[in-house]
Amino acid sequence: DAGVTQSPTHLIKTRGQQVTLRCSPKSGHDTVSWYQQALGQGPQFIFQYYEEEERQRGNFPDRFSGHQFPNYSSELNVNALLLGDSALYLCASSSTGADQPQHFGDGTRLSIL
Amino acid sequence: DQQVKQNSPSLSVQEGRISILNCDYTNSMFDYFLWYKKYPAEGPTFLISISSIKDKNEDGRFTVFLNKSAKHLSLHIVPSQPGDSAVYFCASTLQTGNQFYFGTGTSLTVIP
Repeated sequence: DAGVTQSPTHLIKTRGQQVTLRCSPKSGHDTVSWYQQALGQGPQFIFQYYEEEERQRGNFPDRFSGHQFPNYSSELNVNALLLGDSALYLCASSSTGADQPQHFGDGTRLSIL
Repeated sequence: DQQVKQNSPSLSVQEGRISILNCDYTNSMFDYFLWYKKYPAEGPTFLISISSIKDKNEDGRFTVFLNKSAKHLSLHIVPSQPGDSAVYFCASTLQTGNQFYFGTGTSLTVIP
């Protein structure tokens, strides 16, 4: 039973570029959340997708956008990259309903030069 | 504004002894609480959770305690093993379970 898978594992971009990160949820999960984890910090919530729509959004600018596909997989897009966007980007999936833990992938390490 | 706080960045414990990791939260509306373990180069792994209607939940060597009046939760690991060495994050969420709020983590080292 495959868990949450993310691609790519590492990515290097320059300021001003755009990036797309991908996530496949754990089998049986229909909800995908994205988090940004800076060095020495806990994961910070970016947004959550359910039924192909953004259900909730954290305190991140509009440069961060996403998409969920009918097979529940998801993409995170970041435009006009800044040096401060360098971080580990984590995808988490869960089942709908209360008291459901989110299960994380191993993340994509994004470095901005 | 950090709604979930882990005030101890690191903790060292002898193998076989008890490890106690602490977490405080500020939002009284939080309804569901979790602990995750993270090894380097891996994503956080779900460890144990507790609903606000309970004050204790056990799973093998791991027990989570919730004190709602103090807005405090703790994770007890007994007995601690070297393989438990990792960064532990506590997380909380509202009843909707959409957005999880994470602490900054505590790095646990279990000394053989």
